[in-house]
Amino acid sequence: TQLLEQSPQFLSIQEGENLTVYCNSSSVFSSLQWYRQEPGEGPVLLVTVVTGGEVKKLKRLTFQFGDARKDSSLHITAAQPGDTGLYLCAGDTGTASKLTFGTGTRLQVTL
Amino acid sequence: GAVVSQHPSRVICKSGTSVKIECRSLDFQATTMFWYRQFPKQSLMLMATSNEGSKATYEQGVEKDKFLINHASLTLSTLTVTSAHPEDSSFYICSARVRSGANVLTFGAGSRLTVL
Repeated sequence: TQLLEQSPQFLSIQEGENLTVYCNSSSVFSSLQWYRQEPGEGPVLLVTVVTGGEVKKLKRLTFQFGDARKDSSLHITAAQPGDTGLYLCAGDTGTASKLTFGTGTRLQVTL
Repeated sequence: GAVVSQHPSRVICKSGTSVKIECRSLDFQATTMFWYRQFPKQSLMLMATSNEGSKATYEQGVEKDKFLINHASLTLSTLTVTSAHPEDSSFYICSARVRSGANVLTFGAGSRLTVL
């Protein structure tokens, strides 16, 4: 079973601060996805990265896929209360059509 | 965009009863759907892969007879929790692959099951 470890597990910051969430594994993934989940809702896809070293930006969010395709990071600039939620990375090994989800990072942004 | 509808969003039942949760793809066909379980403040745990027209594939440690999955059409998969017990209380989420060949998932809004 592939494990995707996310760090930190929990992060509480004030509005305007920057933060980085890490997603690490010993396995190689053909692609990696990031989701955000709000309480009582299903996860919503933010981005998919497929190429080693790839960087994608989504407004204030910057996603990077590691060169070896074993890890990824999510950087949020000038966090806002609307960024609050559970952030999940999910890796695709390319077989069995299953995604392996990371352990999750719970972000709380306060005014 | 692709929408997955899950019903009911919340259900409360007594111990020993069975509960059915539906997962529908509203504007696309889904030959494969996935069922997850999520405990409070934790990540998603894949329970099983639901395949249209064939038996579901269960993950290790998930009881097939406890969590019955039926995928009778290209737009509907159901999860039935049989003889529910309080320890089955959880948040159950389904997802479907948006298009063939791409492993991008659209998730339902989840179903919170409380077993008294």
